[in-house]
Order: sequence, then C-alpha cells, then structure tokens
Amino acid sequence: DSGVTQTPKHLITATGQRVTLRCSPRSGDLSVYWYQQSLDQGLQFLIQYYNGEERAKGNILERFSAQQFPDLHSELNLSSLELGDSALYFCASSPRTLTGTGTYNEQFFGPGTRLTVL
Amino acid sequence: GESVGLHLPTLSVQEGDNSIINCAYSNSASDYFIWYKQESGKGPQFIIDIRSNMDKRQGQRVTVLLNKTVKHLSLQIAATQPGDSAVYFCAEKVGGTSYGKLTFGQGTILTVHP
Repeated sequence: DSGVTQTPKHLITATGQRVTLRCSPRSGDLSVYWYQQSLDQGLQFLIQYYNGEERAKGNILERFSAQQFPDLHSELNLSSLELGDSALYFCASSPRTLTGTGTYNEQFFGPGTRLTVL
Repeated sequence: GESVGLHLPTLSVQEGDNSIINCAYSNSASDYFIWYKQESGKGPQFIIDIRSNMDKRQGQRVTVLLNKTVKHLSLQIAATQPGDSAVYFCAEKVGGTSYGKLTFGQGTILTVHP
C-alpha cells in the first residue's frame, strides 16, 4: 500500500459525460501528479500540482482539468468524454518538487481509477 | 478504425535465474532515472533510482546500470522469483523546470516460471 488513495476504483459512463476522479496523497506529500495509462499510449504524464499550484503540464487535453485543494487532495475532471478516454488514471504523490539540481524524490502511485466510456 | 495496443517486449525466465531488463532513453538532458514495477491491477511501484552522475546503483536483489554514452539503462534482478512477474517500466526525468515530470518507457513484461 503506497499510502495514496484514489476514488472511485471503477467508473463507467457514456460519451459526452463529465466525471471527477479524486486523489488523496500520502500524508505530508505536497506534490500530486496525474497519469493516464491506456493500451495504445502506455503511461502518459498529464499534470502536476505542488502545494495547490500547477507546476508542470504534459499531454493533457483541453477537455481535462485538475486542481489541488488546500488540504492537498486533488481532483481530475474529464469532460465531453470520448471512447478514447477509456483508460486507467493514476495519481502519484511525492514529498516535494524538484528544483534544478536539488533533491530527487520518489513518486508513490495510487491504485488507479479505471474509466470506461461507452 | 481498430486501435492497436502497444506490443511490449517480453522476458521469460526460470525461477532462480538472473533477469536483465533493458531500456533505451532518448533525451540526453535526462538527469534522473527510475525503474518501476507494475503488477496486474495495481499502480506502478518504485524499485530503484539512479542519478545521471552515477553509472551503477545496487538495491536488494536489484542493480541498475546507466550508460549515458549510448543512453541505455538496465535493471538486473538477481535470483528472480515468481513474485517478480510484472511489467517493468523505466522512467526518466528531464532536467530544468519540468518539476518532476516523468517520461515512461513502454514497459517490459517479465514472466518468471517456477
């Protein structure tokens, strides 16, 4: 158990709908990362938040958005869902962000949310 | 059209053998590398990491080797056990202002036969 929790575990919805995935990082971790894992794209970084602020963006679609709240939990919002959005969505947390040549921190992954769009 | 899934490299070994999983990375600016293990139905789990100023690092039953000249990373697992069966990913972090963004390789499926 990594200490990162994600809800729900499974989500089935229809095209055009909107869903919210939730992540609670490990106690004390300030950074939260979102990843998408699909059969044809592998594991792709979406976005990172550090202490409530967006810090890095990856391959995140404009239909997707995220935020990190004062209590450090994070939500990933997926809207206008398409069949191709079906995937596993992972959240990871780490103690602090990386700054230049500073310290490096392991990312701890949650169990993921499996999204199925029908 | 029909989507085509990733065709992951596979490695099959017998229990007790040593396993070597390879990974090529493309960005010479990458300064930090991690190996993750992902078991079926679970999230990736950290195994071992290495900084770009090192060429070897050892953990418990695992060793990571980094060859920056040819941009190659390998994970060696000693005395492989059935519980090691999983998908193994290498990940790299690009330096500068990317604040921890990891780029993952496609993964290698390791199957350990008892």
